[in-house]
Amino acid sequence: AQKITQTQPGMFVQEKEAVTLDCTYDTSDQSYGLFWYKQPSSGEMIFLIYQGSYDEQNATEGRYSLNFQKARKSANLVISASQLGDSAMYFCAMRATGGFKTIFGAGTRLFVKA
Amino acid sequence: GAVVSQHPSWVICKSGTSVKIECRSLDFQATTMFWYRQFPKQSLMLMATSNEGSKATYEQGVEKDKFLINHASLTLSTLTVTSAHPEDSSFYICSATGGTWAEAFFGQGTRLTVV
Repeated sequence: AQKITQTQPGMFVQEKEAVTLDCTYDTSDQSYGLFWYKQPSSGEMIFLIYQGSYDEQNATEGRYSLNFQKARKSANLVISASQLGDSAMYFCAMRATGGFKTIFGAGTRLFVKA
Repeated sequence: GAVVSQHPSWVICKSGTSVKIECRSLDFQATTMFWYRQFPKQSLMLMATSNEGSKATYEQGVEKDKFLINHASLTLSTLTVTSAHPEDSSFYICSATGGTWAEAFFGQGTRLTVV
């Protein structure tokens, strides 16, 4: 069975500083993808970044980077130079390669302080 | 990126009535669509998976007679909450994929309130 664990219900970060949101996962699949989504108060799910299980390099997308440690089964999201607009819920998610079913973690609410 | 449009964004209905929520892929053919339910301050819970032209696959514990899903075309899936009750009040969100398994695009969500 697949499982995503996000142990930080809430996080605070000062504007312009970096923050790491934790995500660990469990799966018996050999090939899978890991995702991070942002959900602002409006409710829409915004795709941030993707990491394939066989990708050797950590994924980066602008201010977002994914710290992928396969042996530890962790896929932490790093947001650099936090902005006030980054305040939102962040979900870590996983999907098996070739499958379409996505499972989500419980989420972390990020608060960016001015 | 691809666009998925969900309508309505919010709806209030009386207990006992039915409500239909639409999910449209605007610029790609969605071979598979997913319907999620999200309670306040909680994660997304997958309700069902639908493939165009076939019956939806419901997750365990989801009443298929209460949450009717139709995926009649490659660009449209609908979720109908039948005989809605206050406990059905929630945020419902759809996502769609066009076959590139790594990408799934989400609609804006629908906030349903049953009074």
